[in-house]
Amino acid sequence: DAGVTQTPRHEVAEKGQTIILKCEPVSGHNDLFWYRQTKIQGLELLSYFRSKSLMEDGGAFKDRFKAEMLNSSFSTLKIQPTEPKDSAVYLCASSAGHNQAPLFGEGTRLSVL
Amino acid sequence: GEKVEQHESTLSVREGDSAVINCTYTDTASSYFPWYKQEAGKGLHFVIDIRSNVDRKQSQRLIVLLDKKAKRFSLHITATQPEDSAIYFCAARDNTGNYKYVFGAGTRLKVIA
Repeated sequence: DAGVTQTPRHEVAEKGQTIILKCEPVSGHNDLFWYRQTKIQGLELLSYFRSKSLMEDGGAFKDRFKAEMLNSSFSTLKIQPTEPKDSAVYLCASSAGHNQAPLFGEGTRLSVL
Repeated sequence: GEKVEQHESTLSVREGDSAVINCTYTDTASSYFPWYKQEAGKGLHFVIDIRSNVDRKQSQRLIVLLDKKAKRFSLHITATQPEDSAIYFCAARDNTGNYKYVFGAGTRLKVIA
């Protein structure tokens, strides 16, 4: 079975650029999560979709971060404009629903110069 | 909303000994608790979970205990092996709202041969 697929695995951006990260969830999963992982802050929720509807938009991340799910098999996370403090690993996860553990992709490591 | 505290930031054990990682949560309504393992440069890998209708679950060398009164759950890794060395994350599903997952800060486990 295909797991969660994230592309690219690595991204390097200049400050002020727009970058788009991609995620393909496990087929049939209804819930999709975007997390940011840093050593200091740990795992922070950016967005959460259920059946393509946005359930949570991560509060503090609203202004420059936008996640979309145009169909059930593909999601994007846009960061615009990027700042050096956005350097982190971005993780996408999907779940079949309540009481089913989210399954994670391998992540995208973003470096903003 | 839910908060999860993971008590051990690092843990070292000798090969063959048991390792115990403890987490506490704040929301009495939380009912589902997955655990994840993360190896260097990879995403989070689901290892075991527990639902609030039981207080113990075992999968091979992994045991999860849940104490709902104390709002505490723990991961026990028995007969540890060097390949168990990784960062382990506990999580709780936030039932007060939209069912997102809240993660602990992670425990870096080192198994010494």
